[in-house]
Amino acid sequence: QLQLQESGPGLVKPSETLSLTCTVSGASISSNYYYWAWIRQTPGKGLEWIGTTYYSGSTYYSPSLKSRLTISVDTSRNQFSLKLTSVTAADTAVYYCARLSRVDCSGTSCYTGWFGPWGQGALVTVSS
Amino acid sequence: DIVMTQSPDSLAVSLGERATINCKSSQSVLSTSKNKNYVTWYQQKAGQPPKLLIYWASTRESGVPDRFSGSGSGTDFTLTISSLQADDVAVYYCQQYYRTPWTFGQGTKVEIK
Repeated sequence: QLQLQESGPGLVKPSETLSLTCTVSGASISSNYYYWAWIRQTPGKGLEWIGTTYYSGSTYYSPSLKSRLTISVDTSRNQFSLKLTSVTAADTAVYYCARLSRVDCSGTSCYTGWFGPWGQGALVTVSS
Repeated sequence: DIVMTQSPDSLAVSLGERATINCKSSQSVLSTSKNKNYVTWYQQKAGQPPKLLIYWASTRESGVPDRFSGSGSGTDFTLTISSLQADDVAVYYCQQYYRTPWTFGQGTKVEIK
């Protein structure tokens, strides 16, 4: 059964870098059928898509976070990671990793579909 | 960005009664060439991550009870719980995957009356 688990510091100081890792178990991250995504949730802004990666290393970022964001994948460890630089209190959130289905494929090009399953989430607080 | 607006923000329904949640997108999320609506619905129970319920606006995910159904097209979508059970108390979200950035509705909280 596929499971995803987020890990990383729960407290980050303002202006520093938030780093999280998602470990995938029960399936290979190198599947042709799925992307892998980060989503965050706050009481004020709700659910917000952060970015997506494929096992090949290709990435897709939310325009609002693109300048501060790096998502990478490590197929040898079956993990993918998130780095968000220059954080502020507005980046305080529960961060989820999730599998993202590839749909409507034409040759090697596919659209993205739905998120599922999701990890349990990691609360990251930005505070001095 | 495509804005997803849900209504109501919360509703209280008696056990066994119907619950209806609406979701409106700021632009059409229907692909006319594929005749598919790029909308999904999630259920989030307290302290848990969201769980996929429905995709392509009306296709139930495997294992989801058939009391959950999705409908709609273009810009207007509905999630219906035909006979509310105690286990259905949760916040429900719609989401579009038609165009990046993928965006979610603000959520609708369903409670027992």
